[in-house]
Amino acid sequence: GIQVEQSPPDLILQEGANSTLRCNFSDSVNNLQWFHQNPWGQLINLFYIPSGTKQNGRLSATTVATERYSLLYISSSQTTDSGVYFCAAPAGDNQGGKLIFGQGTELSVKP
Amino acid sequence: EAGVAQSPRYKIIEKRQSVAFWCNPISGHATLYWYQQILGQGPKLLIQFQNNGVVDDSQLPKDRFSAERLKGVDSTLKIQPAKLEDSAVYLCASSHQGEQYFGPGTRLTVT
Repeated sequence: GIQVEQSPPDLILQEGANSTLRCNFSDSVNNLQWFHQNPWGQLINLFYIPSGTKQNGRLSATTVATERYSLLYISSSQTTDSGVYFCAAPAGDNQGGKLIFGQGTELSVKP
Repeated sequence: EAGVAQSPRYKIIEKRQSVAFWCNPISGHATLYWYQQILGQGPKLLIQFQNNGVVDDSQLPKDRFSAERLKGVDSTLKIQPAKLEDSAVYLCASSHQGEQYFGPGTRLTVT
């Protein structure tokens, strides 16, 4: 089945810095999601981005499906950005199938 | 629009006891998922429902876990008897057109 790998596993930033998180996947996908898991454990949807680029405020994401990777950009980071960032892709051709998650990138933003 | 609701938020039980979790998906979402998230890992699917039918339960430990989704709306997940290794966060999700939305989760501690 599909494998999802994220890098880096950990990241420490000073408030105001920019960062790029990477997600590699082993097979072609028709769906890719980025989530932020806050310190209370809630998984918050950031992007649903099977291909192309999307932006939402200080966050943007790009998926290059042909090269099997996705990038999440965080600009002007804030302490509230701390937490774990997950990317996930469906296990098979059905875009509504179970999501396979990467191991996550744990981000800590220092004031 | 209300999000995915779960209860209880926290539960502590002793091994060999039973426990049940409840999930109410986003209104109109036909697909419902239960994931298990062990500390330090990404969520992994336990079971997926389409309306009130099971789509995927290949990773559900059927000797101790059971789930149902009567009437195609709410769902319950039960563990009987619990083991120490069942300590985890149990996440319910529902989806619309492929994008999955997660509830706040139930943090289970088995002592």
